[in-house]
Amino acid sequence: DTEVTQTPKHLVMGMTNKKSLKCEQHMGHRAMYWYKQKAKKPPELMFVYSYEKLSINESVPSRFSPECPNSSLLNLHLHALQPEDSALYLCASSQEVDSNQPQHFGDGTRLSIL
Amino acid sequence: ILNVEQSPQSLHVQEGDSTNFTCSFPSSNFYALHWYRWETAKSPEALFVMTLNGDEKKKGRISATLNTKEGYSYLYIKGSQPEDSATYLCALPEAGGTSYGKLTFGQGTILTVHP
Repeated sequence: DTEVTQTPKHLVMGMTNKKSLKCEQHMGHRAMYWYKQKAKKPPELMFVYSYEKLSINESVPSRFSPECPNSSLLNLHLHALQPEDSALYLCASSQEVDSNQPQHFGDGTRLSIL
Repeated sequence: ILNVEQSPQSLHVQEGDSTNFTCSFPSSNFYALHWYRWETAKSPEALFVMTLNGDEKKKGRISATLNTKEGYSYLYIKGSQPEDSATYLCALPEAGGTSYGKLTFGQGTILTVHP
């Protein structure tokens, strides 16, 4: 079983809806990540949080808004998404933001925009 | 932007076969190389993090080698089993500065092991 828990597993929403994706880890990791994965492509980094502070935003549109309320939780708030935003959204964590640290992934949220 | 290439894109083998595939990367500014296994409907699982030229790591029937001077890593699976069927991804961290912490993934090798 994965130690990074993502909810919900599936989400269908309209373009005018507001929803949130949640990610939780209790491994004491201080780095957390959001990735977007489209079919047959590798995961692409969206955001990195280090010690609850946003350290990387990969030029993600503002309709995606990350939030790290504490060291165990990472949210991704969604608003006015487009059909091309339909994808698998993966959360990951690592002990620190360090090139030598493996990342631990959740199972992802499959998002469909109508 | 790091260019990480994996080959082959896909591979079909019979149960019991041994197999290997490649991850190629620029040899300059090397920090580390990650291998992940991603089974369908599961989360990507870290297999190895390799940092030193000549590194060799092993986990059960899976092993990996690293050549940072020529810019490649091999992943080997000995005696493939159907449960080894997965996408195998390699990833490299970007250099420092504003991209520190960013992993760039290769396209992956999809392995199918037939019983």
